[in-house]
Amino acid sequence: KQEVTQIPAALSVPEGENLVLNCSFTDSAIYNLQWFRQDPGKGLTSLLLIQSSQREQTSGRLNASLDKSSGRSTLYIAASQPGDSATYLCAVTGTDSWGKLQFGAGTQVVVTP
Amino acid sequence: DTAVSQTPKYLVTQMGNDKSIKCEQNLGHDTMYWYKQDSKKFLKIMFSYNNKELIINETVPNRFSPKSPDKAHLNLHINSLELGDSAVYFCASSQDPGMNTEAFFGQGTRLTVV
Repeated sequence: KQEVTQIPAALSVPEGENLVLNCSFTDSAIYNLQWFRQDPGKGLTSLLLIQSSQREQTSGRLNASLDKSSGRSTLYIAASQPGDSATYLCAVTGTDSWGKLQFGAGTQVVVTP
Repeated sequence: DTAVSQTPKYLVTQMGNDKSIKCEQNLGHDTMYWYKQDSKKFLKIMFSYNNKELIINETVPNRFSPKSPDKAHLNLHINSLELGDSAVYFCASSQDPGMNTEAFFGQGTRLTVV
C-alpha cells in the first residue's frame, strides 16, 4: 500500500531564503508525482507534474526533482517571498490506481517579511 | 475561465438532510474525481468516473452517491447527513486515469453539518 510522507510538517523562513520541501513515497510503481499549493480556504493549484521517466521539472522559481528508485521528490523554491506562504502538497499516481492521487499530509510554509 | 468549478462553495445544513454538490469541468477531460479533506487537512479520494463509468469507489458510506450525467459533470449527492460528514469536498479532473493524470482541482465545497 502506497504511503506518502512530507517532512517537515511546517516551515518558517525569512524572505529571500530558498525553500526545500521533501516528499517520500513507499511504492516506486508510479506514473507521476505532482506538487500542489493550497492557500487557506481555497482549492489546490497544480505547481509541477513530474512523469516517472523524468528527473526534474522547472517552472520559474520552482524546481522539483524525482528519484523514483529511492522514492523521493524535493521541491525547491528559490528566493522565497511572503506570497509563497501556503501549504504545499505532494501526490503520486500509482500505475495500478486508476488515476487516484495518493497525497501527503502537506508542509505548511510561512515566509516572513 | 474556470477549469473545474463546484457549487456551492459553502453549505451549512442540519443532520438528517439530503444535499448535493455539483461539479463541472471545461477541460475536455475524460476522468473526474471527488476527494474529501478532513479536519486534519488530509486529502483522500472518494470516487472516480471515467467516461461516465465508475472506476474507483473507496470505502465510502453508501449515503454518498456520485452521479455523472456526462463526461463534463460529476455531482455528489449525500443522504441523511451526519456530523462527521463535515469536511471540504474537492472535485478534480484529469485527461485519463492512466499516464496523463495531471489533476486539476475545483475550489472546494465546505460542508458543515449542524
